[in-house]
Amino acid sequence: AQKITQTQPGMFVQEKEAVTLDCTYDTSDPSYGLFWYKQPSSGEMIFLIYQGSYDQQNATEGRYSLNFQKARKSANLVISASQLGDSAMYFCAMREDLNAGNNRKLIWGLGTSLAVNP
Amino acid sequence: EAQVTQNPRYLITVTGKKLTVTCSQNMNHEYMSWYRQDPGLGLRQIYYSMNVEVTDKGDVPEGYKVSRKEKRNFPLILESPSPNQTSLYFCASSSPPRDRWDNEQFFGPGTRLTVL
Repeated sequence: AQKITQTQPGMFVQEKEAVTLDCTYDTSDPSYGLFWYKQPSSGEMIFLIYQGSYDQQNATEGRYSLNFQKARKSANLVISASQLGDSAMYFCAMREDLNAGNNRKLIWGLGTSLAVNP
Repeated sequence: EAQVTQNPRYLITVTGKKLTVTCSQNMNHEYMSWYRQDPGLGLRQIYYSMNVEVTDKGDVPEGYKVSRKEKRNFPLILESPSPNQTSLYFCASSSPPRDRWDNEQFFGPGTRLTVL
């Protein structure tokens, strides 16, 4: 079973509008972290935002915010005021068992391709 | 500038010709890891290292070797590459998590490998 599910293979958004990219996850660990990364066409992986499972507040980083709904096991990325440079693949990832301190492997979704239209 | 570097960025090779992809980080991170990215499969971990001389297999280690003789370097070795190892490879590093802000993994720019 997929541990990270991104149900939107592709999304379009008009420049300056907000967009929500969906991510649901599956874990039995009480302690975990959720990440969003951006991959432009050039290929590099750029960290955007992180949410810990015990964080009481939703994470925010500039125009990025994470809508964390723990009971529903969802961690959607919200990009406000979209810009042309936001066109890229977006990946949701999870690290389980934060307290174990060993392998910090990230488990990845398959990504959502976002196109920002002028 | 804090960064993870990988070389080469692009490589086309032939089946069976040994190759090494280098990875180096300048952040004094203990933890380093290799992933491969394939369409429809996402990113999967190949190997990871908790510190110098401490390495372990990830989810898809077959056909790969690694070494960690120095803290900053974590090369990925393909002793006898095959076409199914054609992929985009990423090296990543991170420091021990102390709080929410330390859970970021820093990724290298990626190495696009084609094995003919």
